[in-house]
Amino acid sequence: NAGVTQTPKFQVLKTGQSMTLQCAQDMNHEYMSWYRQDPGMGLRLIHYSVGAGITDQGEVPNGYNVSRSTTEDFPLRLLSAAPSQTSVYFCASKKGGNEQFFGPGTRLTVL
Amino acid sequence: AQTVTQSQPEMSVQEAETVTLSCTYDTSESDYYLFWYKQPPSRQMILVIRQEAYKQQNATENRFSVNFQKAAKSFSLKISDSQLGDAAMYFCAFHLGDTPLVFGKGTRLSVIA
Repeated sequence: NAGVTQTPKFQVLKTGQSMTLQCAQDMNHEYMSWYRQDPGMGLRLIHYSVGAGITDQGEVPNGYNVSRSTTEDFPLRLLSAAPSQTSVYFCASKKGGNEQFFGPGTRLTVL
Repeated sequence: AQTVTQSQPEMSVQEAETVTLSCTYDTSESDYYLFWYKQPPSRQMILVIRQEAYKQQNATENRFSVNFQKAAKSFSLKISDSQLGDAAMYFCAFHLGDTPLVFGKGTRLSVIA
């Protein structure tokens, strides 16, 4: 199993550009989430999905869109990047009450 | 809404000594799951230990153990015989099973040789 994979590992954007962070898991987990990690703030939930076709907002959803067309994939879209979105982004998946598995993270810088 | 609080932004411990990291949480539910994750400089999130609220026995994993006090909503992590490789950010986290994981803000642990 590859676990949770994320691409890219690093990205630099200019203000106003759009991009998609890719996330995939091969563990047949129904639950997938996106978090952002900022210094001193821990991991904050952006969006999550409890299964294909179902998504919901987390604590900090503004400026981000998600979709879940398959169980395996959960991409995160930045529609118009802003410097406040400079952060490290983690995708994660889990099944029920079990351990949550994390991808390696994407370091995004918005200039 | 559930919240998780880690009151110690930074801690340090001498190599081979024992250290305890604190975590409190707030929920009105009785069934839930608690976790400690370690994040070394590589950024990878690594599960250290997991506790189910319905289990009274404290979880242990080698040198790592927890003190789970359900009535006090406290879930502290004890690291025994600290090693240099234990230096990392440690996050306490919580979920209800069918909800997302909620994290505390983390504790940075330094290990002094």
